[in-house]
Amino acid sequence: DTGVSQDPRHKITKRGQNVTFRCDPISEHNRLYWYRQTLGQGPEFLTYFQNEAQLEKSRLLSDRFSAERPKGSFSTLEIQRTEQGDSAMYLCASSLGGGRVSYEQYFGPGTRLTVT
Amino acid sequence: AQSVTQLDSQVPVFEEAPVELRCNYSSSVSVYLFWYVQYPNQGLQLLLKYLSGSTLVKGINGFEAEFNKSQTSFHLRKPSVHISDTAEYFCAVSGDNQGGKLIFGQGTELSVKP
Repeated sequence: DTGVSQDPRHKITKRGQNVTFRCDPISEHNRLYWYRQTLGQGPEFLTYFQNEAQLEKSRLLSDRFSAERPKGSFSTLEIQRTEQGDSAMYLCASSLGGGRVSYEQYFGPGTRLTVT
Repeated sequence: AQSVTQLDSQVPVFEEAPVELRCNYSSSVSVYLFWYVQYPNQGLQLLLKYLSGSTLVKGINGFEAEFNKSQTSFHLRKPSVHISDTAEYFCAVSGDNQGGKLIFGQGTELSVKP
């Protein structure tokens, strides 16, 4: 068990550029979650996948955001036309889950995005 | 809709003193409750969880929490803190048929002083 990994750890980009983040979950976990955390706040849910299916998206996830999990393994989160308000820590988590009960989520170290 | 309120944004305490970090939640469905810890520039680490059963839950690093359904609370306690416990602590709730997504409180910064 190597844990959840995220790449890159830090990303600085200019406003208007596109960025893509990658998350590799714990291998046997079928659920994968994306959260966003701004300074001094708790993480906010963005979206989640069960296997390759994206089952829920938050209203926070504007049309500029898209997430994929093509083979039910790793996931990518893309932000198009970045804005300064997108500056945040983007956290990925994975868990086992099914039916009504979900098990605890294991978090990656996060990708810190700075939009200048 | 679910929500979590952490009643203290900062808690300063001296080393070896007891500490309680307060968390209240609201939910219209059955809940699962969690406490996570976050050290600077790191992801979140699970301290403990309440899924069902005994309302007193023990976690890692000597922490424990008690689920109180009537008061909709899930306060975190430790009888004697160490300098290394200095971190941000987050209470989170998840509900039945919610896909496991977590709703977090705003966090409590625990600062342990020598």
